[in-house]
Amino acid sequence: ETGVTQTPRHLVMGMTNKKSLKCEQHLGHNAMYWYKQSAKKPLELMFVYSLEERVENNSVPSRFSPECPNSSHLFLHLHTLQPEDSALYLCASSQDFGLAYSYNEQFFGPGTRLTVL
Amino acid sequence: AQSVTQPDIHITVSEGASLELRCNYSYGATPYLFWYVQSPGQGLQLLLKYFSGDTLVQGIKGFEAEFKRSQSSFNLRKPSVHWSDAAEYFCAVVHSGNTPLVFGKGTRLSVIA
Repeated sequence: ETGVTQTPRHLVMGMTNKKSLKCEQHLGHNAMYWYKQSAKKPLELMFVYSLEERVENNSVPSRFSPECPNSSHLFLHLHTLQPEDSALYLCASSQDFGLAYSYNEQFFGPGTRLTVL
Repeated sequence: AQSVTQPDIHITVSEGASLELRCNYSYGATPYLFWYVQSPGQGLQLLLKYFSGDTLVQGIKGFEAEFKRSQSSFNLRKPSVHWSDAAEYFCAVVHSGNTPLVFGKGTRLSVIA
């Protein structure tokens, strides 16, 4: 596998279910990201992890719980979601995050299409 | 706060025609600027980026973009569109390495024969 992979690619869940989204990057990067992409809205950054520490949390409801056990893996644990949480969830990685005078390109995975019934 | 405006939600062009997708940003200083493309069912792929220097930047797949400070714009262009260019295009800006990317809402490109 190369680049950034995400599993599953599609997920349908009820509002009372608990599920997890998985992201893995094979690029040796230190930073990983979760984004939410809803129809007719800009991509919304949810979480950023740098060296396995959470550095950004953009007012995301607690029903979304991220986990970064190591620099290659990122999870998004889901529980008691709402229908409005249905969206494409994109994972990305970059070499670093938090270097004030440089910027590292983000590489995106294909996303998980989540439908909440 | 930074913001990105892509005024065109959907554009349709004929194959072989030229293309220009508009992007305007709101920020006091010159940010880092990006164009991404998203094909159906895929993640985002970086087309090109502008950090400094020459204001006309070349990207992959024959795309280019021009940074115009006076207009706070970073428009994407391609001289001759191919059917495979049909996708969603996103403009994005970032101030520095310790601030997140801010994306526009995207422009969907349709290509007709």
